[in-house]
Amino acid sequence: EAGVTQSPTHLIKTRGQQATLRCSPISGHTSVYWYQQALGLGLQFLLWYDEGEERNRGNFPPRFSGRQFPNYSSELNVNALELEDSALYLCASSSVSSTDTQYFGPGTRLTVL
Amino acid sequence: AQKITQTQPGMFVQEKEAVTLDCTYDTSDQSYGLFWYKQPSSGEMIFLIYQGSYDEQNATEGRYSLNFQKARKSANLVISASQLGDSAMYFCAMRERYSGAGSYQLTFGKGTKLSVIP
Repeated sequence: EAGVTQSPTHLIKTRGQQATLRCSPISGHTSVYWYQQALGLGLQFLLWYDEGEERNRGNFPPRFSGRQFPNYSSELNVNALELEDSALYLCASSSVSSTDTQYFGPGTRLTVL
Repeated sequence: AQKITQTQPGMFVQEKEAVTLDCTYDTSDQSYGLFWYKQPSSGEMIFLIYQGSYDEQNATEGRYSLNFQKARKSANLVISASQLGDSAMYFCAMRERYSGAGSYQLTFGKGTKLSVIP
């Protein structure tokens, strides 16, 4: 069974540009989560999508947004990039189960110059 | 207050020895889940083990076991017979379930860097 996939692996942008990150969940998983792992800040929850709807968002400004498509894949958009947006962005997926275990993809490393 | 506390920034263990990574948590929820993930230098988060708040038995998965002490709010990870490939960052995480909002995201600790010495 294929795991969570993310693209691109690496992304280099300049300040003020927009970045688009993509995630495909494990087959059968309807929930997708996005986390940011910035140096020194640990893993921070960004967004949660389930069945095409945004269910919850973390303490991030509105320029972080996303969506979930009918096939449950998801896109994270970051507008007006700032230097501090440089981080590893991890996507996870889960299915409705007793544990709701989240399985992570390999991440997209975003560098803002 | 931090919801997940991992007090050991770094740990060393001899190959083939056992090691315990500490994790304490804080929640007022009765229903919650505790997870441990491994993050090698490549960056991917690998799920290791899960413990539910209502589970009476400690969880085990191969060489990994979770020492769950509910009254102390601790969920320590025990790795038996350490291998060189166990060298990585280890994160403890909690999923709380708020009534109504159904918030399912994970809250992570800051992690412990484990180094296995040959």
